[in-house]
Amino acid sequence: DIQMTQSPPSLSASVGDRITITCRASQMIASYVNWYQQTPGKAPKLLIYASSNLQSGVPSRFSGSGSGTDFTLTIGSLLPEDFATYFCQQSYASPWTFGQGTKVEFK
Amino acid sequence: QVTLRESGPALVKPTQTLTLTCAFSGFSLKNRGMGVSWIRQPPGKTLEWLARVDWDDDKYYSTSLKTRVTISKDTSKNQVVLTVTNVDPVDTATYYCARSRLYDIGGYYLWYLDYWGQGTLVTVSS
Repeated sequence: DIQMTQSPPSLSASVGDRITITCRASQMIASYVNWYQQTPGKAPKLLIYASSNLQSGVPSRFSGSGSGTDFTLTIGSLLPEDFATYFCQQSYASPWTFGQGTKVEFK
Repeated sequence: QVTLRESGPALVKPTQTLTLTCAFSGFSLKNRGMGVSWIRQPPGKTLEWLARVDWDDDKYYSTSLKTRVTISKDTSKNQVVLTVTNVDPVDTATYYCARSRLYDIGGYYLWYLDYWGQGTLVTVSS
């Protein structure tokens, strides 16, 4: 199975900060990475697909990049509703796998 | 409007079989490029993808659970069913179903999970 290693596991930030979350795949997976946001008690929500494509309705402060084994999710300027947990996921090969998650908390 | 809703027992005893149903609307599993996946999340932990069934009835399973998990679809009812046999307390989790969609990236194809159900918490305990 392809392992997705996400970092950091958590980070503290303030409203208005720019943050970056990284995800590393255990093998080359081209651009087959998706990113999800999850708030407590809710289902995950798709933010980015195919590494850099913004899902419809997702604000443009979210962006993704990367190819091969290294991927990043960037939030350009944090808003209060962005404090959540973020997961990367690969769909290059079955079984699909997720990263361990990054919890973005208030500083 | 795409919606998915999971249903099933909240409590299951160890060694029993767990059966979960995903009822969906707003899309058809007869259409090319559509699928439904099951994903679970133990309390406080990350997401684990379990299985997927596609429009052409191809099925895919988690490596670690493939001997215990079965997925099936009923396109006439717009439902997908997941069964997990011989459950154990480690199977305690919130179980989600999600629409899986195939995206054409200029000649090659990527799947993503674009709509999710609200999830159903299943506890395995005697």
